[in-house]
Amino acid sequence: EAGVVQSPRYKIIEKKQPVAFWCNPISGHNTLYWYLQNLGQGPELLIRYENEEAVDDSQLPKDRFSAERLKGVDSTLKIQPAELGDSAVYLCASSLRAGVFNEQFFGPGTRLTVL
Amino acid sequence: GENVEQHPSTLSVQEGDSAVIKCTYSDSASNYFPWYKQELGKRPQLIIDIRSNVGEKKDQRIAVTLNKTAKHFSLHITETQPEDSAVYFCAASILDAGKSTFGDGTTLTVKP
Repeated sequence: EAGVVQSPRYKIIEKKQPVAFWCNPISGHNTLYWYLQNLGQGPELLIRYENEEAVDDSQLPKDRFSAERLKGVDSTLKIQPAELGDSAVYLCASSLRAGVFNEQFFGPGTRLTVL
Repeated sequence: GENVEQHPSTLSVQEGDSAVIKCTYSDSASNYFPWYKQELGKRPQLIIDIRSNVGEKKDQRIAVTLNKTAKHFSLHITETQPEDSAVYFCAASILDAGKSTFGDGTTLTVKP
């Protein structure tokens, strides 16, 4: 069984440019998470989807960040425009569904560098 | 919201020794406590978890204990090996809500 897939693995952009990250969760997983991980810190939740519905986006900086999961499968996280402080690893995770089966499977992450 | 504190931030042990990492949480509604291991440049992977109706769980060389009253839980690794070297993250979760808050991680170094 394939794990959570993310692309690209690395991205270097200049500030004020847009950037997008893509995530394909494990097949059959209804819940999808986007996390931000700064160096030396734990993952911080940006947004959580249950199928195609964003059920927790309270930590998403909506002035510049947006996300979508149109068909309830893969998801895209976008930053426009990027700022220097956005440099971090963006992790996607999925779980079967919130509730009983809460084990989260993480993707390899996208390391973003904003110059 | 939930606040998770993890200590120590770095831990160095000799191969064969035990390692203990501690986490405290603030939200009494949290009922699921997973531990993740993240090797350098790799994804976090679940190594053990515990639910709030259990005080202790063991899986070979690793164990987790939970004290709900004090709101703290700990990861114990016995007979450490160099391949145990990694960053370990604890998390406090509310199962039905699907919410997880992570600690800042502990960098464990096992010296051969």
